[in-house]
Amino acid sequence: DAKTTQPTSMDCAEGRAANLPCNHSTISGNEYVYWYRQIHSQGPQYIIHGLKNNETNEMASLIITEDRKSSTLILPHATLRDTAVYYCIVRATGANNLFFGTGTRLTVIP
Amino acid sequence: SAVISQKPSRDICQRGTSLTIQCQVDSQVTMMFWYRQQPGQSLTLIATANQGSEATYESGFVIDKFPISRPNLTFSTLTVSNMSPEDSSIYLCSVRLAGGSSREQYFGPGTRLTVT
Repeated sequence: DAKTTQPTSMDCAEGRAANLPCNHSTISGNEYVYWYRQIHSQGPQYIIHGLKNNETNEMASLIITEDRKSSTLILPHATLRDTAVYYCIVRATGANNLFFGTGTRLTVIP
Repeated sequence: SAVISQKPSRDICQRGTSLTIQCQVDSQVTMMFWYRQQPGQSLTLIATANQGSEATYESGFVIDKFPISRPNLTFSTLTVSNMSPEDSSIYLCSVRLAGGSSREQYFGPGTRLTVT
């Protein structure tokens, strides 16, 4: 599975959009981009995933660059409950498991 | 999605003893995994729990230390054997569901283990 690079930490004002970047320059054609988050003392929570098209669900939007070497997770209106560690993961089709990096610690500030 | 429960939610154990953690899912699943999260660290995959056969372990993890059972599609156990303080971690069960989007993977709440 390709390696991902994320900033160690970010802050975001409550109510503003949180944009979390991820670099995956060695991603292969059959690898999906996944985002999970882990709120303190809880198990990781699935957020969204995509291959090459932008995706949106009730939690977030995922923007993948045309060359697929980077992506951005967007939380449109961050709340205090969005404070968590956000993990960007790439996984190949048919691969059985997820390998977690160090993630980005997002702190939403009142 | 799925509801994943783990027992116990936390425990404090003495070194040299063993603890068995249970994972129960309320839906049919295709894959079950066990992860470890050491204090302040990210998650590390221990093994894939296979129904009716031996688990598949990742590098650095062995069956004698972390025996795993999966007697049916919705239940698995992980045993942490002959514990030492270095085994103090959160242990998480994770599943991929049968049907729907097989690419989504869900996690249980974790079992927080402290070894003294």
